[in-house]
Amino acid sequence: DAAVTQKPRYLIKMKGQEAEMKCIPEKGHTAVFWYQQKQSKELKFLIYFQNQQPLDQIDMVKERFSAVCPSSSLCSLGIRTCEAEDSALYLCSSSQSGGQGSNERLFFGHGTKLSVL
Amino acid sequence: GDSVTQKEGLVTLTEGLPVMLNCTYQTIYSNAFLFWYVHYLNESPRLLLKSSTDNKRTEHQGFHATLHKSSSSFHLQKSSAQLSDSALYYCALKDTNTGKLTFGDGTVLTVKP
Repeated sequence: DAAVTQKPRYLIKMKGQEAEMKCIPEKGHTAVFWYQQKQSKELKFLIYFQNQQPLDQIDMVKERFSAVCPSSSLCSLGIRTCEAEDSALYLCSSSQSGGQGSNERLFFGHGTKLSVL
Repeated sequence: GDSVTQKEGLVTLTEGLPVMLNCTYQTIYSNAFLFWYVHYLNESPRLLLKSSTDNKRTEHQGFHATLHKSSSSFHLQKSSAQLSDSALYYCALKDTNTGKLTFGDGTVLTVKP
């Protein structure tokens, strides 16, 4: 099966601190998506990269997060100033070509579980 | 924008009974690509099955679903629940321009002996 690697698995931060999570997409995949999962339920879309360029992101990400994919083999998602509501599982996923493959699947990593105290 | 509705947040069943998890969607596009992902505890979400053409059934690992564009639905079914089916199930709709998946809120399926 595909291997999307995320590090670290667990991250603990105090309110106001900066947080950074990394993702290594599946080799050869050009599309990378970040999702936030709270309380083991809703998967909320955060940001989407195609060929390392951010193409879509929600307002919260624009305002408080920093996300880059400097290479096809490494992406990162950062929170500039952590808040309690940021406590969640952050899932990185990748797919071969993004929108071009109509029924192409997403491959997910195990996620980074962030706890903000 | 696109939206996906999973009306059941929690489904509890006895082993051996049939499973049906509801999924309806809204999109402005005539072509709809639907997926079911399953998320087991301490694992990464993974694809369970994906839609085919309108009114065509797709099957995988004992589960099946049929895309019905007339009712904008893609319900997940299984004839007989197993204990190992206990997990969180997401229905998702794909934006074919961006590749972004819009997920429903998820349904936690618990199968009891």
